[in-house]
Amino acid sequence: ETGVTQTPRHLVMGMTNKKSLKCEQHLGHNAMYWYKQSAKKPLELMFVYSLEERVENNSVPSRFSPECPNSSHLFLHLHTLQPEDSALYLCASSQDPPLRERTDTQYFGPGTRLTVL
Amino acid sequence: AQSVAQPEDQVNVAEGNPLTVKCTYSVSGNPYLFWYVQYPNRGLQFLLKYITGDNLVKGSYGFEAEFNKSQTSFHLKKPSALVSDSALYFCAVRDRGSTLGRLYFGRGTQLTVWP
Repeated sequence: ETGVTQTPRHLVMGMTNKKSLKCEQHLGHNAMYWYKQSAKKPLELMFVYSLEERVENNSVPSRFSPECPNSSHLFLHLHTLQPEDSALYLCASSQDPPLRERTDTQYFGPGTRLTVL
Repeated sequence: AQSVAQPEDQVNVAEGNPLTVKCTYSVSGNPYLFWYVQYPNRGLQFLLKYITGDNLVKGSYGFEAEFNKSQTSFHLKKPSALVSDSALYFCAVRDRGSTLGRLYFGRGTQLTVWP
């Protein structure tokens, strides 16, 4: 569990606040992900970074803004969120292998439980 | 389109009995298949994966899963359940030709093992 860490573990914020979620991976991986986990729904992939470059953005509202300053750190900046954004936000990392061998396993952090009032 | 179905929201089993958590998938090509487990207030933990080769995959904590291409299934199994196995289990699939990191998850199955 210490391979991927996330802070804070819990966050309560108002709709007008600005906050950031932090993720750090200690596995030497070169790809990082943000997922949203809501009750009774499949995990939703939000963003993918490979080699610090955003390679996927799944139609996420602009009130969520990711940042990947290096291959070990990933941030999710939050502003003017809505109550429906309350969820568990999970960070994951993996090693991006050559194209022909996409066998990489994603390893997850413990998540940040976000509540928007 | 890629998708994963976990047909049971809840599975209940007595300790010591065998358990099965079902998963079926749909991908356009050949799949990579994964099982993850999530304990309360924790992130997802990797259990096992099928890449190629033997259809029976063995993973952590005594779990195993059987890949069945004709039935497009990847059911998770354990011969003898423990109370500590109680958790939320997720099946995930990736098309081998997909872009980086594009895992498709099922909705999850809550496993409860009774003492």
